[in-house]
Amino acid sequence: DIQMTQSPSTLSASVGDRVTITCRASQSISSWLAWYQQKPGKAPKLLIYKASSLESGVPSRFSGSGSGTEFTLTISSLQPDDFATYYCQQYNSYYLTFGGGTKVEIK
Amino acid sequence: EVQLVESGGGLVKPGGSLRLSCAASGFTFSSYSMNWVRQAPGKGLEWVSSISSSSSYIYYADSVKGRFTISRDNAKNSLYLQMNSLRAEDTAVYYCARGHSGSSLFDYWGQGTLVTVSS
Repeated sequence: DIQMTQSPSTLSASVGDRVTITCRASQSISSWLAWYQQKPGKAPKLLIYKASSLESGVPSRFSGSGSGTEFTLTISSLQPDDFATYYCQQYNSYYLTFGGGTKVEIK
Repeated sequence: EVQLVESGGGLVKPGGSLRLSCAASGFTFSSYSMNWVRQAPGKGLEWVSSISSSSSYIYYADSVKGRFTISRDNAKNSLYLQMNSLRAEDTAVYYCARGHSGSSLFDYWGQGTLVTVSS
């Protein structure tokens, strides 16, 4: 199975900060990577697919980049609604795997 | 509006069985692959199983292979997960999720149903 490793596991930031989360795959997954946001007690929400494509309705302050084994999710200016946990997910293989998550906390 | 509503969760003893259901509405159910994803309390997301639109292709995580069975009824717009030989480590919120544009990522999710395996 393809292992997905996210860093950091926790990130403390302030409103207005630029935030970057990294996701690394144990083998090349081309651009078959998605990012999700999850708030406590809620289902995850799709933000980015195919590494850099913004899902409809997602604010443009979210962006994704990367290919192969290294990927990043960037929030250009952190808003109060963005404090949440973020997960990456590879879909290069039929055996789908998620990263361990990055919790974005208020500094 | 796309809606996915899970049901069937609850408390079950180790070794027991449970059947989860997911009722879909607001889209052409028979055109989309469907999936189950779970989340243990305080933990991350874990993919469980996927089924293609016509049930031709089915995949399971190694952790549930041989114990869980995914199925769907396109006439009833419903997805199912039959869970047998349940273990404590299967305790989680189970989410039903729609496949995005024919690929294996998830664009709509249900609210989840909690399965607790405990004696």
